[in-house]
Amino acid sequence: DAKTTQPPSMDCAEGRAANLPCNHSTISGNEYVYWYRQIHSQGPQYIIHGLKNNETNEMASLIITEDRKSSTLILPHATLRDTAVYYCIVRVPWGNAGNMLTFGGGTRLMVKP
Amino acid sequence: DTGVSQDPRHKITKRGQNVTFRCDPISEHNRLYWYRQTLGQGPEFLTYFQNEAQLEKSRLLSDRFSAERPKGSFSTLEIQRTEQGDSAMYLCASSLDGQETQYFGPGTRLLVL
Repeated sequence: DAKTTQPPSMDCAEGRAANLPCNHSTISGNEYVYWYRQIHSQGPQYIIHGLKNNETNEMASLIITEDRKSSTLILPHATLRDTAVYYCIVRVPWGNAGNMLTFGGGTRLMVKP
Repeated sequence: DTGVSQDPRHKITKRGQNVTFRCDPISEHNRLYWYRQTLGQGPEFLTYFQNEAQLEKSRLLSDRFSAERPKGSFSTLEIQRTEQGDSAMYLCASSLDGQETQYFGPGTRLLVL
């Protein structure tokens, strides 16, 4: 799986949009970008994933650059409950390589009142 | 759909004792994964089952660790002769063939004294 780089920590004001960047410059053509988050003392929670088109669901939006070398997870109106570690993972979601998630250090997002 | 459940949520044991953890995946999910997470790090893959077959094991899974999924439903992870270095959160996840998103349980936190 391609390596990802994320800032170790970010702050965001409650009610504002949180934009979490991820660099994956070595991504290959069949690798998807996945985002998970982990709230303190809980298991990781799936947020969203995409290949090359921008994606949106009830939790977040995923913006992938045209060259696919980076992406941004957007939480449109951050709340205190969004305080968590956010992991960006690049993987081929099938075959033997799809059998595991490789987590990096993630970004610790602190949403402040 | 009640999500992935794990039992116990916390376990304190003395060095040298054996411990066993249980994971109940989301019903009808045929894939089941075990991960380990130490403090301040992202989860690390341990092993993976497709139905009852254990198809992949990480180098992290020493011979003191054994995982089973006897009927293709729940799974157990046993650690024999525990060591202080085994102290970690043990996470279970499940997914469905053709839908490669993994859903995580709350984890079992192990402390070896």
